[in-house]
Amino acid sequence: GNSVTQMEGPVTLSEEAFLTINCTYTATGYPSLFWYVQYPGEGLQLLLKATKADDKGSNKGFEATYRKETTSFHLEKGSVQVSDSAVYFCALSASQAGTALIFGKGTTLSVSS
Amino acid sequence: NAGVTQTPKFQVLKTGQSMTLQCAQDMNHNSMYWYRQDPGMGLRLIYYSASEGTTDKGEVPNGYNVSRLNKREFSLRLESAAPSQTSVYFCASSALDSNQPQHFGDGTRLSIL
Repeated sequence: GNSVTQMEGPVTLSEEAFLTINCTYTATGYPSLFWYVQYPGEGLQLLLKATKADDKGSNKGFEATYRKETTSFHLEKGSVQVSDSAVYFCALSASQAGTALIFGKGTTLSVSS
Repeated sequence: NAGVTQTPKFQVLKTGQSMTLQCAQDMNHNSMYWYRQDPGMGLRLIYYSASEGTTDKGEVPNGYNVSRLNKREFSLRLESAAPSQTSVYFCASSALDSNQPQHFGDGTRLSIL
């Protein structure tokens, strides 16, 4: 079956450090891949997405590239800010329309000044 | 832009009580979803409705029922609440296209004593 595995947290960084959160997936067909962010007390917000192999999603300085050969979609940011402190979820959507997202367990990021 | 609206935001129940969580979206989306979020578990799908008039079980449907009232509204009912159903519940909606992201409400924080 389809599944998503992302690195365990928490991840603790100093401001302006480089961020990588690993995400790998198992899926049949050609899934779409997403990163969502959840700030404290809020719902999930879409951060970026990629719908086919070698696509790069980007938003707010975050990037992730859809790597079919390694079944990965790692999230990166060159210089994190305190305001990036949140929980990050990697997710995939199977190729069948109307099916739900499959989420990783989430990675908590804490950035200190 | 309201997006996905969930009510109530907080609720405390006693074991055995029933309640209905309400969800409405104003984006003309075909598909709607109910998830629960528990610490260290990510988001798990309870039920979903790929289109108006259809509902399907997700990963953790036991103890819940749903109603797709119309295209806008998708409710989740707990018939006899149990402490194991203490969680944060999220409703989401999406277009009928697996490449499109899901949009989430702000959640309902439910405690069952």
